[in-house]
Amino acid sequence: DAGVIQSPRHEVTEMGQEVTLRCKPISGHDYLFWYRQTMMRGLELLIYFNNNVPIDDSGMPEDRFSAKMPNASFSTLKIQPSEPRDSAVYFCASSAQPGLPDTTNEKLFFGSGTQLSVL
Amino acid sequence: DAKTTQPPSMDCAEGRAANLPCNHSTISGNEYVYWYRQIHSQGPQYIIHGLKNNETNEMASLIITEDRKSSTLILPHATLRDTAVYYCIVRPTYINTGTASKLTFGTGTRLQVTL
Repeated sequence: DAGVIQSPRHEVTEMGQEVTLRCKPISGHDYLFWYRQTMMRGLELLIYFNNNVPIDDSGMPEDRFSAKMPNASFSTLKIQPSEPRDSAVYFCASSAQPGLPDTTNEKLFFGSGTQLSVL
Repeated sequence: DAKTTQPPSMDCAEGRAANLPCNHSTISGNEYVYWYRQIHSQGPQYIIHGLKNNETNEMASLIITEDRKSSTLILPHATLRDTAVYYCIVRPTYINTGTASKLTFGTGTRLQVTL
């Protein structure tokens, strides 16, 4: 498997524009997570899905942010309208449903991230 | 999730063992200790995890104290490629919660490996 794939790798946009970030999780993984990383706040969990259903979106900063997972192999994070303070690296990660024999191993696999700059 | 405390930075000479401490004094019985690292400009990478027994894999060893209130990640022979931010995280497990729990990252330890 190629791992978690994110696109684009870099995005530069102007304030007020709509931004869509894309993620393809590892095939067979049941969980998908969106994180944001900034120097000031570190790595923050925005939202995560289980079997395409949003489980916890308490980290989504405001209504300008939305995330969807229309199927098991694709997710989007949309910002509309974008603002300069949204500038950050956005990471997508996926993990498998823990199962036998090791029900404790829930390691996350991260993508390379999308560097977003809002001017 | 239990909170963890790590030193903000550490240095290590190449070829020597790097010992990264983590304090998690409020850890509860159903929480495991996980370690991830983040090399510059990359996404975090899983290293190792454990409950109460010491663990070893191809990347590192994890030593957890008997009272489980602290742990140490050991990179036995650090190389320049091990320069990264190392995160210690505690989280409850699926078997106890019935669902995967979110991974909450702190500020981690920035390890600098030097020649």
